Amino acid sequence: GDSVTQMEGPVTLSEEAFLTINCTYTATGYPSLFWYVQYPGEGLQLLLKATKADDKGSNKGFEATYRKETTSFHLEKGSVQVSDSAVYFCALSDRHSGYSTLTFGKGTMLLVSP
Amino acid sequence: GAGVSQTPSNKVTEKGKYVELRCDPISGHTALYWYRQSLGQGPEFLIYFQGTGAADDSGLPNDRFFAVRPEGSVSTLKIQRTERGDSAVYLCASSSTPGEETQYFGPGTRLLVL
Repeated sequence: GDSVTQMEGPVTLSEEAFLTINCTYTATGYPSLFWYVQYPGEGLQLLLKATKADDKGSNKGFEATYRKETTSFHLEKGSVQVSDSAVYFCALSDRHSGYSTLTFGKGTMLLVSP
Repeated sequence: GAGVSQTPSNKVTEKGKYVELRCDPISGHTALYWYRQSLGQGPEFLIYFQGTGAADDSGLPNDRFFAVRPEGSVSTLKIQRTERGDSAVYLCASSSTPGEETQYFGPGTRLLVL
């Protein structure tokens, strides 16, 4: 079945550092790809998405590009802030007949220090 | 408008007891999903509703788990004869239509079975 693999955390960075969180996937067909973020004590929030190959999703300074050739959707941010500390989940859509469900990676914790 | 809400936020129960977890989706969203997130893992799909019917319950782990959505809005996840292994965060999500791949998540119910 479809699956998502994320780099293990925690990722520990100083404020203003560059962030990359790797995500690769295995899927039949061409799913949509998502990054969700879970801030401490809060629910999952959609961060960004891409629906087809070479699409770039972006939000709040975060970016990810759908790479079909490497089956990857790495999350990047040029300058992280303490407020970016959270758990980040990469996910893909499993398409069924008329609906989709989500398959998630295990999540990567990001800790940003001042 | 209001997001997805779930009650209770926390539930502690004893092994063998019955529990009900409630989800109130975003108003007007016809598609509703339940996921389970175990400690250190990403959310895993349990069941999907289109309107009042469970269109896909392939993720339910066994017949102790059941869910309903009698009026096509609020949904209840029911767990009979709870086991310690059922301890997890139960997440509900909704999307505007079945074909819409972006799902909006509630804050979850943290279930602890002693």
